[in-house]
Amino acid sequence: AAGVIQSPRHLIKEKRETATLKCYPIPRHDTVYWYQQGPGQDPQFLISFYEKMQSDKGSIPDRFSAQQFSDYHSELNMSSLELGDSALYFCASSLLRVNTEAFFGQGTRLTVV
Amino acid sequence: QKEVEQDPGPLSVPEGAIVSLNCTYSNSAFQYFMWYRQYSRKGPELLMYTYSSGNKEDGRFTAQVDKSSKYISLFIRDSQPSDSATYLCAMRGTGNQFYFGTGTSLTVIP
Repeated sequence: AAGVIQSPRHLIKEKRETATLKCYPIPRHDTVYWYQQGPGQDPQFLISFYEKMQSDKGSIPDRFSAQQFSDYHSELNMSSLELGDSALYFCASSLLRVNTEAFFGQGTRLTVV
Repeated sequence: QKEVEQDPGPLSVPEGAIVSLNCTYSNSAFQYFMWYRQYSRKGPELLMYTYSSGNKEDGRFTAQVDKSSKYISLFIRDSQPSDSATYLCAMRGTGNQFYFGTGTSLTVIP
């Protein structure tokens, strides 16, 4: 079965650079979530989209923005990167209108140097 | 106070033992409950999904939800070394956000 695809798997950026993370949800899923997970920490909710509209916003810095496109894939744009942004970034998708569980991708490991 | 509390462990058990993992929560609106298993540097893998109170069994795994006590559990029977991972509970109410526990690190010793 198709799963959530994230790209790239690994990304190294310098401070103050920009990064774009991509997420391709499970086909026909209507909701995408972005989470940030620091070393030894639980996933922290950043933002979610339902049917291409932003639905919930968590602890997402103003330097970050995200959107969901017509094909339901989503991109997380991160600007003015800081060392503290180094983390695993996960995308998850679910079929919210029937209240199903969320499935996670394998994540993008971002390292800011 | 976090929405979801989970003992981070670490928890170490011998192979074949029964493992009990638990989470408590404060938001009575939560009605969807999940357990994820996460291996190091991998994405969380969904193990169990339950709606409202009750038990759900899948192979060696049993999930329990007690909404009156705001308490959920995951039991692993006949634990195997391959079960060694971090286990995260997650839950959701009517909004579009999942709330996670901090995860419990489990090691099953052969």
